[in-house]
Amino acid sequence: DIVMTQTPLSSPVTLGQPASISCRSSQSLVHSDGNTYLSWLQQRPGQPPRLLIYKISNRFSGVPDRFSGSGAGTDFTLKISRVEAEDVGVYYCTQATQFPYTFGQGTKLEIK
Amino acid sequence: EVQLVESGGGLVQPGGSLRLSCAASGFTFSSYWMHWVRQAPGKGLVWVSRINSDGSSTSYADSVKGRFTISRDNAKNTLYLQMNSLRAEDTAVYYCARAMTRYFDYWGQGTLVTVSS
Repeated sequence: DIVMTQTPLSSPVTLGQPASISCRSSQSLVHSDGNTYLSWLQQRPGQPPRLLIYKISNRFSGVPDRFSGSGAGTDFTLKISRVEAEDVGVYYCTQATQFPYTFGQGTKLEIK
Repeated sequence: EVQLVESGGGLVQPGGSLRLSCAASGFTFSSYWMHWVRQAPGKGLVWVSRINSDGSSTSYADSVKGRFTISRDNAKNTLYLQMNSLRAEDTAVYYCARAMTRYFDYWGQGTLVTVSS
């Protein structure tokens, strides 16, 4: 199975400041079709997960442009340009290149 | 509006069975792969199973293989997860999720399954 490792596991951030979460996979996420199926999910407290970013850097419908994704191969990053109060929650990277699909451990974003 | 509504969770004894349902609306259900993902209390997300659009192909996590069965009824716009031989470690919130070309684009609210004597 592909292991997804996120850092940090906890990220206290000041409102209005940027935040960054890293995700590393144990093997390349480039699929034989040429796509890289790395996505980012946000889970607010008491809520189901919500898709933010798919295929490394594509923002899903309705996702604010302060969220951006980047990376390639085995190293990926989610960035929030200016953290807002509604961004509090746990963020997960996930790979769908190979079964079984796997998730990172989650990074808890909290406000300082 | 895409909606996924899970039901069927509850308290069950170890070794027991439960069938979860996920009612879909707001999209052409028969065109999408569907997945079950679970989350133990206070823990992260774990993929459980998937089914292709016409139900002819399925996959399972090793931890549930042989005990869980995923299925769908495209006429009823409903996804199912039959869970047998339940164990304490199966205790979790179970989410159904729609898959759009290898990413989970919509999730249900989840249904809690508690396995305990």
